[in-house]
This record gives sequence, C-alpha cells and structure tokens, in this order.
Amino acid sequence: QVQLVQSGAEVKKPGASVKVSCKASGYTFTSYGISWVRQAPGQGLEWMGWISAHNGNTYYTQKFQGRVTMTTDTSTNTAYMELRNLRSDDTAVYYCARNRGYSGYEEHWGQGTLVTVSS
Amino acid sequence: DIQMTQSPSSLSASVGDRVTITCRASQSISSDLNWYQQRPGKAPKLLIYTASSLQSGVPSRFSGSGSGTYFTLTISSLQPEDFATYYCQQSYTTPPYSFGQGTKVEIK
Repeated sequence: QVQLVQSGAEVKKPGASVKVSCKASGYTFTSYGISWVRQAPGQGLEWMGWISAHNGNTYYTQKFQGRVTMTTDTSTNTAYMELRNLRSDDTAVYYCARNRGYSGYEEHWGQGTLVTVSS
Repeated sequence: DIQMTQSPSSLSASVGDRVTITCRASQSISSDLNWYQQRPGKAPKLLIYTASSLQSGVPSRFSGSGSGTYFTLTISSLQPEDFATYYCQQSYTTPPYSFGQGTKVEIK
C-alpha cells in the first residue's frame, strides 16, 4: 500500500533553516509528484508547493518563493522540503502528500512533521 | 493565484441531518475541485475529487457537485464520525493549488 513516512519533529530558532523528509513506498515514485502542505496551530491548510519526482520540476506558491526549496532523491524514493529564514509564524505541522500534478489531488498523505520556531 | 472561499466557516448539526457546504473559486476552475475531511490531530483525507467523484472507500452519503466557480459538498445523513473540518481545494491545471479556509462541522 502507498505510504509516506515523514521525519520527526524539529525545534528551530528564528532565522534558521529546517529540512523535512518524506519517504515514499508502495508505488512507482517517479510516476507522481509530491505536494507540501502546512497547518499552523488552530488554522487551516496552506498549500506550499509541488515537485515532480519524474523530472524535478517545481511550483511554489508565491508566498514561499525564495525561501523554500523542494527536492527529491529517486535513489531512496524520498522527497525533501527545506524552509529557510524561519520565523515564529512558520510554526506548523508540515505534511507531504502524493499528487500527480496536473489537475491532480492529494490522495495519500504523510503523518505530518511539527516544526516549532522559537527563540 | 486562485482564491477559494468556503461557507459557512462553521455549522452545528445533529446526527441524521443533511448538511451542505459551499465553495466558490475566484475564477473558473472547470471541475478541478476536491474535498477533504480532517479530524483533530490527523492528516487530511480525500473525500471527493474532480468535483463529484467519490474516493474509494468513502461512504456514499458524501457527494459533490458543481463546476466553474461554484461547488457544493453534501452529507446526506450526518453520522457521528463526520464531525470534523472540511476543506475544498482547487487543482486547476498546473500548480500552485489552494485550499478554502475550512468548514468545521460540530455537534448540535
């Protein structure tokens, strides 16, 4: 079955960077893309961006452009999301999800990774 | 970017009630509209994709309709496990995609 397993919780100081991983199994990794979605405490879902595991093409929401980098490692079927210059309002649960990318949808989700930004 | 607006933001209903949530897009998105359910502390779960297609394993009391800029999610007979927050999402052609602000369904 399709599984997305994310790395563990992180605590970071303002201005630092965080890199969250998402290891996929149960399907052909390069046939889909990976979306990243975050959710601040008590808030709604915020779609951050998407990367094709086939060719590495990326699409980022304008809000995160210049501060986020999404990558994949096809040798380990793992996707990564790096967010730089962290602020306190980046405190959130970060989810990865499988999405084919063209008129696609998030069909399978990781368990989420809590990133806390605090001095 | 395409903006999604859900209404209401929250609602109270009883078991057995029929519930309808609406979602409007800031521009036409054809039928590229998806619905998710999220229970507290859990990852979202896909319910409906491309406006009206029921995801495998999702009970038939959930249905979706609409196209263009106006969409609805209907729960025909609310069950105890349906008390959760529901999000619409547009996935029109290529990313970036976006979610509505969510509708919390609470017990009356």
